[in-house]
Amino acid sequence: DTAVSQTPKYLVTQMGNDKSIKCEQNLGHDTMYWYKQDSKKFLKIMFSYNNKELIINETVPNRFSPKSPDKAHLNLHINSLELGDSAVYFCASSPRDTYNSPLHFGNGTRLTVT
Amino acid sequence: DQQVKQNSPSLSVQEGRISILNCDYTNSMFDYFLWYKKYPAEGPTFLISISSIKDKNEDGRFTVFLNKSAKHLSLHIVPSQPGDSAVYFCAALRGNNRLAFGKGNQVVVIP
Repeated sequence: DTAVSQTPKYLVTQMGNDKSIKCEQNLGHDTMYWYKQDSKKFLKIMFSYNNKELIINETVPNRFSPKSPDKAHLNLHINSLELGDSAVYFCASSPRDTYNSPLHFGNGTRLTVT
Repeated sequence: DQQVKQNSPSLSVQEGRISILNCDYTNSMFDYFLWYKKYPAEGPTFLISISSIKDKNEDGRFTVFLNKSAKHLSLHIVPSQPGDSAVYFCAALRGNNRLAFGKGNQVVVIP
């Protein structure tokens, strides 16, 4: 039983294309996130949704658009892909209060833009 | 502007010995600190945490120490086991949901 699952695991595409990454959690958590791990290995938050409402948007280009159809799903759509978008993207979830319960991460989607 | 810093990107240690990982932070507003462990091709998994009102938290073989005045925390693993070979991320929280990560330390435990 995978708690946070994201698809696809690998995504190779050309510059200029539009692609989506899907994420689902079965933990009953209220809050979901997208993190990006770049070539320097830093994990940086991109977005956070609480019960389908956007609560964190960390200076991400507007080519990136998260969509949360319900609180168990948070998808990431990327328009006009650029070389610099190549990274590993992690979805995560947590209860609303992250002090008492840490984030649960998916296994990541490795995006390669050629 | 990296607010959580992990230097010494890799550490090799003999099985049974102690592994010590260090983490420094710059933002004095951080009030909760966590360590995550990551295996290749998997997402990070939570390991241990500490509130800023404490200076030590222990869970089995894992102990986290916090020195607020120095803005420094460390993770001790003793005894180290081969299954501990992974990347360890230090993370800090200020306000709910805003978790800042360091770039990780690779630990290799030699049998």
